Amino acid sequence: GAVVSQHPSRVICKSGTSVKIECRSLDFQATTMFWYRQFPKKSLMLMATSNEGSKATYEQGVEKDKFLINHASLTLSTLTVTSAHPEDSSFYICSATTTSGLQETQYFGPGTRLLVL
Amino acid sequence: GENVEQHPSTLSVQEGDSAVIKCTYSDSASNYFPWYKQELGKRPQLIIDIRSNVGEKKDQRIAVTLNKTAKHFSLHITETQPEDSAVYFCAATFSGGSYIPTFGRGTSLIVHP
Repeated sequence: GAVVSQHPSRVICKSGTSVKIECRSLDFQATTMFWYRQFPKKSLMLMATSNEGSKATYEQGVEKDKFLINHASLTLSTLTVTSAHPEDSSFYICSATTTSGLQETQYFGPGTRLLVL
Repeated sequence: GENVEQHPSTLSVQEGDSAVIKCTYSDSASNYFPWYKQELGKRPQLIIDIRSNVGEKKDQRIAVTLNKTAKHFSLHITETQPEDSAVYFCAATFSGGSYIPTFGRGTSLIVHP
């Protein structure tokens, strides 16, 4: 299947700092990229949907000024957690979709574990 | 919007037994139903999917069935092995223009040796 990479895999930062997470589709151009947050033993919570060259669409309750998404190219999307606080600590996973004909398939990145002290 | 219910939340089986996980969806426009396996601390991996033009799909020990009328779909794993232990997520979405999947809450499958 298609490969999605995510960097860094793990990050520890101090409260008040910003953290940038990169998501790349390695062997395909992604139609759409998604950012999810996952709490322990919980399902994937969609934060935002991102299309190259346009503003991300945020889900209700997700602060767009807090979680900045930039989709610079068809293979790269970044999530920046600004002024991070301990409650932002979580597992963040991106995904990207490929399209064949009119059919999309979604592939996930390996995730980034963020710990805010 | 779409609503996906997944049951059971936890499933414990003996090695060699079969496991069945069920999901229901609410939006009749949904036409694509993937299943993901997520091991602890790792990414969800697509293991099988089904589109609405078929009722069943099989890949070795795993199979998925879809009942469009009843709006439910199920994952079947036969001859379970300890390495099948993981959390499994179902999802439902419209594929073909506005792909935003809705995920179930997940099922933690434990296969005892």
